[in-house]
Amino acid sequence: NAGVMQNPRHLVRRRGQEARLRCSPMKGHSHVYWYRQLPEEGLKFMVYLQKENIIDESGMPKERFSAEFPKEGPSILRIQQVVRGDSAAYFCASSPPGGHPWAVNTDTQYFGPGTRLTVL
Amino acid sequence: AQKITQTQPGMFVQEKEAVTLDCTYDTSDPSYGLFWYKQPSSGEMIFLIYQGSYDQQNATEGRYSLNFQKARKSANLVISASQLGDSAMYFCAMRERGRPGGYQKVTFGIGTKLQVIP
Repeated sequence: NAGVMQNPRHLVRRRGQEARLRCSPMKGHSHVYWYRQLPEEGLKFMVYLQKENIIDESGMPKERFSAEFPKEGPSILRIQQVVRGDSAAYFCASSPPGGHPWAVNTDTQYFGPGTRLTVL
Repeated sequence: AQKITQTQPGMFVQEKEAVTLDCTYDTSDPSYGLFWYKQPSSGEMIFLIYQGSYDQQNATEGRYSLNFQKARKSANLVISASQLGDSAMYFCAMRERGRPGGYQKVTFGIGTKLQVIP
């Protein structure tokens, strides 16, 4: 009964390179969320995806960042032309399908171990 | 305005004692959920406990309990019989109903660092 899996756990990139972060949700979960945690800060929402759909990307920087959750395979968070300010821990979470849209979704988001991106 | 406020950057507690981590929240939505997560030094985020705004009783999970005071908009985490393994960052989070059909965002506080002293 594997939990949320993320890889790589640590990623080092030089400025200008691309970073690809992968997330495999828990079995049975169809919702994926990406968060960023800067040093000494809490988690900040980036994007919410369901299979083949971006539901909410209001937390994503407008440039250089993109996310996808294809029909097959893991969700990918892609950062192009990385800069030092992108250095952070990136967490993926997943949850099962939600209930009535007017009801608060009590489904807990279960987090992966995170990917620590360091930009040199 | 901050949605989630955690005013204690750091806390110390003696092993086997109880400790309360504070969390206040701000929402005009009558329907919301409150969560606590633990982040040890290894970095993963571990779900601890959940409280719904309409729940009549305070949530409990083993040594964790949530002191939910709706009128004060506070959702403090109480850890009883602290253990050395409880040393970690603790984050309070809230999910609001949001707009119809919209995503119910989860907002996190900045965390409290708890250190358990032997």
